[in-house]
Amino acid sequence: SYVLTQSPSVSVAPGRTARMTCGGNNIGRKSVHWYQQKPGQAPLLVIYFDRDRPSGIPERFSGSNSGNTATLTISRVEAGDEADYVCQVWDDTSDHWVFGGGTRLTVL
Amino acid sequence: QVQLVESGGGVVQPGRSLRLSCAASGFTFSNCGVYCGIHWVRQAPGKGLEWVALISGGGEKRHYADSVKGRFTVSRDSSNNTLFLHMSRLRPEDTAVYYCAKTPGDSLVFLQFWGQGTVVTVSS
Repeated sequence: SYVLTQSPSVSVAPGRTARMTCGGNNIGRKSVHWYQQKPGQAPLLVIYFDRDRPSGIPERFSGSNSGNTATLTISRVEAGDEADYVCQVWDDTSDHWVFGGGTRLTVL
Repeated sequence: QVQLVESGGGVVQPGRSLRLSCAASGFTFSNCGVYCGIHWVRQAPGKGLEWVALISGGGEKRHYADSVKGRFTVSRDSSNNTLFLHMSRLRPEDTAVYYCAKTPGDSLVFLQFWGQGTVVTVSS
């Protein structure tokens, strides 16, 4: 089955840029979606189809995907961005939906 | 607007069954098309998200994670716009918060709207 690999944690100072990666075999050939999850809350979609933002998500959130790595970038990080960020793909060979293990973003 | 409300969670003994509900509003599930779907996703305590199952708008597509296949089934009640996750032969490792989540109307591949979840604890 398809596996997505994320670093467990990333720390960044306010106002700086946070980059979180999601690794998978030829993930660049798949569409990657990203969710933000704060403690005790349901996940929130922040990026879909690699780089599209749902309405209400700030432009500071952006995504890219190529080769074996997809990246979620948050510019001008704010304290309110502190959360777990989880990547997800649809594996068409198995008709399974796959989540990465998540990256915890800590704002210093 | 789209709203999803899960219910039915609780404490259940290993080997027993439980049915979770996902009450939908803001759209009519049976009319939303083959590329509209409801996913069930769970999160064990302190762990990440795990996809569990999908049912499409017309009920044509039903897919299950390997960890629950043969034990869990998804269904819908069109008259009440409610989705169900029927869980049988429950195991302690099924303990989790269970979320239902709706896809956008034109694709099944990502989860656009989420409910707040219902907690299932499997313990003797």
